[in-house]
Amino acid sequence: QKEVEQDPGPLSVPEGAIVSLNCTYSNSAFQYFMWYRQYSRKGPELLMYTYSSGNKEDGRFTAQVDKSSKYISLFIRDSQPSDSATYLCASLKTSYDKVIFGPGTSLSVIP
Amino acid sequence: KAGVTQTPRYLIKTRGQQVTLSCSPISGHRSVSWYQQTPGQGLQFLFEYFSETQRNKGNFPGRFSGRQFSNSRSEMNVSTLELGDSALYLCASSPGQGVSGELFFGEGSRLTVL
Repeated sequence: QKEVEQDPGPLSVPEGAIVSLNCTYSNSAFQYFMWYRQYSRKGPELLMYTYSSGNKEDGRFTAQVDKSSKYISLFIRDSQPSDSATYLCASLKTSYDKVIFGPGTSLSVIP
Repeated sequence: KAGVTQTPRYLIKTRGQQVTLSCSPISGHRSVSWYQQTPGQGLQFLFEYFSETQRNKGNFPGRFSGRQFSNSRSEMNVSTLELGDSALYLCASSPGQGVSGELFFGEGSRLTVL
């Protein structure tokens, strides 16, 4: 069993839709949770970063972490074609540990 | 500020050869991590270096090795290449003493093994 799991998709939505991307993790020691976005032929870029449980909002993006159910979510409001990319969730136990990535969910936003 | 630079961007090797990949981190970043990305396995952690010391290591065979220089630049080496080593190799640097999940990735080196 991989430590971080997510549905690989692909997920296709119309422009303007609300997108929900989800991950589950198995290691209860994880404390840091991240979402990275990766465009085709590019390296991943950090999108959202949260510590422990709770919500974090940044513009059209909201990250949620529920440690009781080991569930990580990313919501994208008013999705745009430029949001078309692969979204990777990631987790970390301590700041000196290695970052573990999920396999990624491919998202296409259709104009 | 310049981003993470990886060279070469593309390379083709044959089975049994070895390869060296280079990574220049963002100026001031002392932590460098390496990942292997394949369609089937996703992003797999190889190793992380901080101040020339390997701080973390993933579950890869000994054919995969790395090092970090005093200027924080890093190299990884893969010896006795196998077909399954074909992948995108990504380097990421981090500010601060720890990784803290804040990884700045380069565009990767795409290795094809024939």
